[in-house]
Amino acid sequence: QPVLTQSSSASASLGSSVKLTCTLSSGHSSYIIAWHQQQPGKAPRYLMKLEGSGTYNKGSGVPDRFSGSSSGADRYLTISNLQSEDEADYYCETWDINTQVFGGGTKLTVL
Amino acid sequence: EVLLVESGGGLVQPGGSLRLSCTASGFTFSTYWMSWVRQAPGKGLEWVANIKQDGSEKYYVDSVKGRFTISRDNAKNSLYLQMSSLRAEDTAVYYCAVETPVTGWGQGTRVTVSS
Repeated sequence: QPVLTQSSSASASLGSSVKLTCTLSSGHSSYIIAWHQQQPGKAPRYLMKLEGSGTYNKGSGVPDRFSGSSSGADRYLTISNLQSEDEADYYCETWDINTQVFGGGTKLTVL
Repeated sequence: EVLLVESGGGLVQPGGSLRLSCTASGFTFSTYWMSWVRQAPGKGLEWVANIKQDGSEKYYVDSVKGRFTISRDNAKNSLYLQMSSLRAEDTAVYYCAVETPVTGWGQGTRVTVSS
């Protein structure tokens, strides 16, 4: 089954941009993933689906500041013009026959 | 707009049972895979189980196989998770989620397994 690897933490300044990475395990580099945001004390929120081609489809109401891209086994979430409310945990997710898999999550701090 | 409302969480002793429910609205429930995902205190998200649109296929994470049962009632737009032989390590917030990968989340229901 696929494994997703994420850095445990990241930080960036208010108004700047940050690029978070989710890496698919060997043999699974073509898999579609999803990105989710979880603000402190809240339920997760679906952000987007992201294909290996870099094509992404965002969920309803997700700001234009959020975008996705891909390179090989890496899937990226870029947040531009960082706002204080972007401080959250970000999880990637994928699936295979009979399983769904989440990455360990990246805690984003907005400085 | 997708709305998922979980209920049924609470405090239960080790070895006990609990049934979680999730009521869905805002989408055609019967046409989507549904899942349960949990989050232990201070930890990340963990997929628990999912079920096909007609209930004919069900899959579980290894740690709950034989103890948890996922089911659905499409006439009632409802998803369920029957949990038995509960352990301390099952303590978590349990989220109902729609589609694979997940495109909609409930607000969660807290399950605490403790004596």
